Amino acid sequence: DAKTTQPPSMDCAEGRAANLPCNHSTISGNEYVYWYRQIHSQGPQYIIHGLKNNETNEMASLIITEDRKSSTLILPHATLRDTAVYYCIVRGLMNQAGTALIFGKGTTLSVSS
Amino acid sequence: ETGVTQSPTHLIKTRGQQVTLRCSSQSGHNTVSWYQQALGQGPQFIFQYYREEENGRGNFPPRFSGLQFPNYSSELNVNALELDDSALYLCASSLSGPGTDTQYFGPGTRLTVL
Repeated sequence: DAKTTQPPSMDCAEGRAANLPCNHSTISGNEYVYWYRQIHSQGPQYIIHGLKNNETNEMASLIITEDRKSSTLILPHATLRDTAVYYCIVRGLMNQAGTALIFGKGTTLSVSS
Repeated sequence: ETGVTQSPTHLIKTRGQQVTLRCSSQSGHNTVSWYQQALGQGPQFIFQYYREEENGRGNFPPRFSGLQFPNYSSELNVNALELDDSALYLCASSLSGPGTDTQYFGPGTRLTVL
């Protein structure tokens, strides 16, 4: 699976949009971009994933560049509860039983009032 | 719909002992993956079970073993515990099929080895 690069930390004011970047310049054509977050001492929480097109769900939006070498996770109106470590993960297509998630160090997002 | 559950929540063992951690998959899921998360680090893949067989393993010694049952629940067993085994153990369940799957995590079991 391709490696990812994320900034170690970011700050965001409550109510503003949080834009978390991820670089995955070695991504191959059949690899997906996944985002998870982990609030202190809890299990990681799935946020969103995408292949080529931009994706949006009730939690966030995922913007993938046309060359697929980078992406941005957008939390449109950050709240204090969005303070967490955010992981960007690149995964290949499943074999018979899926592929492991390879976690990096992630980005620690701190949302303040 | 019931999410992924793990038991126990916390556990304290001494070096050399054995431990069994349990995971119940989310309804409808057929695959369970286990991860170890040391303090301050991201989760590391231990192994994955699909249809009751191990299918993929990370860089962990054989004293880490597991089982998956017909109802897709799973156990993680660790023998001869070492101090470095102290960590948060996470299981994640998913529905495997063509394309990509999404893994959903449980709350974890905090293991302390003294």
